[in-house]
Amino acid sequence: DIQMTQSPASLSASLGETVSIECLASEDIYSYLAWYQQKPGKSPQLLIYAANRLQDGVPSRFSGSGSGTQYSLKISGMQPEDEGDYFCLQGSKFPWTFGGGTKLELK
Amino acid sequence: QVTLKESGPGILQPSQTLSLTCTFSGFSLSTYGMGVGWIRQPSGKGLEWLANIWWDDDKYYNPSLKNRLTISKDTSNNQAFLKITNVDTADTATYYCARIAIRGLDYWGQGVMVTVSS
Repeated sequence: DIQMTQSPASLSASLGETVSIECLASEDIYSYLAWYQQKPGKSPQLLIYAANRLQDGVPSRFSGSGSGTQYSLKISGMQPEDEGDYFCLQGSKFPWTFGGGTKLELK
Repeated sequence: QVTLKESGPGILQPSQTLSLTCTFSGFSLSTYGMGVGWIRQPSGKGLEWLANIWWDDDKYYNPSLKNRLTISKDTSNNQAFLKITNVDTADTATYYCARIAIRGLDYWGQGVMVTVSS
């Protein structure tokens, strides 16, 4: 199975701060990487697909980058509504696997 | 508008079979490229992908659950199903279904909580 190592596990950011979350795959996943945001008691919402494509309706402060085994999600200007859990998902090879998650809080 | 909603028994006993239904609208599982996936999340923990089914009835399962999973669909009624046999307390989780399209798992249901307890 492809292991997805996500870091950091938790993060506290000030209003307007730029935040980065990383996912490292145990092998090349050829940009088959998605990022999700999950708020308490809610289902995950797709933010980024294919490593760097912004899902419709997602604010442009969210961006994704990376290739091969290393991927990152950037939030350019933390907003209060960005608090929540973030997960990466690789869809390159079965079984699909998620990163362990990052809890993002507003400082 | 794409929507999905999961339904299940709520609580069941160890060794029983868990049957989950995903009822969706806004897309069809007879459309080329479409699929439905099942994912679960124990309370306070991360996400685990379980299984996918596609428009052509192709299926993939998470081997970590060995042969306990069966995914199926009813295209005419816009439903997908997941069965997990021989459940135990480790299967206690919120279960989600999600649409699979070209962007991957793009729309998710609200989730259904399942508790396995004697």
